[in-house]
Amino acid sequence: DAKTTQPTSMDCAEGRAANLPCNHSTISGNEYVYWYRQIHSQGPQYIIHGLKNNETNEMASLIITEDRKSSTLILPHATLRDTAVYYCIVRVANSGNTPLVFGKGTRLSVIA
Amino acid sequence: DAEITQSPRHKITETGRQVTLACHQTWNHNNMFWYRQDLGHGLRLIHYSYGVQDTNKGEVSDGYSVSRSNTEDLPLTLESAASSQTSVYFCASSRTETGELFFGEGSRLTVL
Repeated sequence: DAKTTQPTSMDCAEGRAANLPCNHSTISGNEYVYWYRQIHSQGPQYIIHGLKNNETNEMASLIITEDRKSSTLILPHATLRDTAVYYCIVRVANSGNTPLVFGKGTRLSVIA
Repeated sequence: DAEITQSPRHKITETGRQVTLACHQTWNHNNMFWYRQDLGHGLRLIHYSYGVQDTNKGEVSDGYSVSRSNTEDLPLTLESAASSQTSVYFCASSRTETGELFFGEGSRLTVL
């Protein structure tokens, strides 16, 4: 079972920041938080990941609370192409040989 | 550019037929994964492999098999297709040293 809790759906106005929350209250010390998204009919796409520090890349920012029990993915200027299902996943270590366990994710709708 | 490709992208078959979905990656990744995605269930892990001659069962492996004879390919075989196996199938690969999975574009299978 997925070890994260996310809202089922969210709306965001185009050009505004989209803030997607994720609860992972049972996260272990060696587990990372990963975010993927899936645009309709396409394969999931990696966005960002982090352990305890905030992370930023060209796609998004990841804010992890100090107790690591929750995090927020921030898309700073959402566009219509950011409409997708966003998955928050926790997994052991920084290892590519651990299968990802997907939950239901958050369906983000960016509205013009 | 390196990539991961799935074929066929769309297939219609009849109940009881054997079906093989191909997955080929050119990144030389050790790890490869097969997921299926259905409405209401999200992405579920079928089988995965950590290297040549290695295969492992995932959450929903019944009725499916895989083989890993080289690094690049992990074909997924449905020995006797059932209507319950109508789904979209995604293949993914990753390096052990990193946490990022790369997904193919999916294969939509319909079993009549």
